[in-house]
Amino acid sequence: AQSVTQPDIHITVSEGASLELRCNYSYGATPYLFWYVQSPGQGLQLLLKYFSGDTLVQGIKGFEAEFKRSQSSFNLRKPSVHWSDAAEYFCAVGVNNAGNMLTFGGGTRLMVKP
Amino acid sequence: ETGVTQTPRHLVMGMTNKKSLKCEQHLGHNAMYWYKQSAKKPLELMFVYNFKEQTENNSVPSRFSPECPNSSHLFLHLHTLQPEDSALYLCASSQASSSQSLYGYTFGSGTRLTVV
Repeated sequence: AQSVTQPDIHITVSEGASLELRCNYSYGATPYLFWYVQSPGQGLQLLLKYFSGDTLVQGIKGFEAEFKRSQSSFNLRKPSVHWSDAAEYFCAVGVNNAGNMLTFGGGTRLMVKP
Repeated sequence: ETGVTQTPRHLVMGMTNKKSLKCEQHLGHNAMYWYKQSAKKPLELMFVYNFKEQTENNSVPSRFSPECPNSSHLFLHLHTLQPEDSALYLCASSQASSSQSLYGYTFGSGTRLTVV
């Protein structure tokens, strides 16, 4: 079965600094990969997704993620963080022909310092 | 507004009460899901419905009873809950196809449930 690990539970960055959130997955083939963001009291919003093709994918709100097969990683990046980016971020993996289930990582809570 | 609406947003119930959570989507999706989000735990998949048929029950206790009368509506009926069931309950929907993982899910804002 597939699994997702987000090694960092909390990350604090200064406003304007760059950001990288780590995500590692375990699966024998190429999975479908997603990043979601959750603001306090809200549901999860899709930031970006990868299934094939260009390994660098662009998402909403200025985020991007890079799929690295050799490292089984799909890290989320943003060149300059805004205070409104403070939220919890979830990486998820989906597997074709495995039902319609996404497996989520434990999440990374991002705090932004002024 | 994501297109997936959950009501109520907040619910406080006693352990002997019976209540229901409602989820509604008008995105044309045919798959709907219930997830439980507890503090300091990963999102837990509870139930999956494809074209109104339940296709997954992730070992959920029988005090949680889902119902999917049509592809647009999903309910979670609650009875004799325990305090440890207090959590954010999230509904999601997606396209239902053999490649439905491709689409990801659209989530509602959740129902914050407190069992007292």
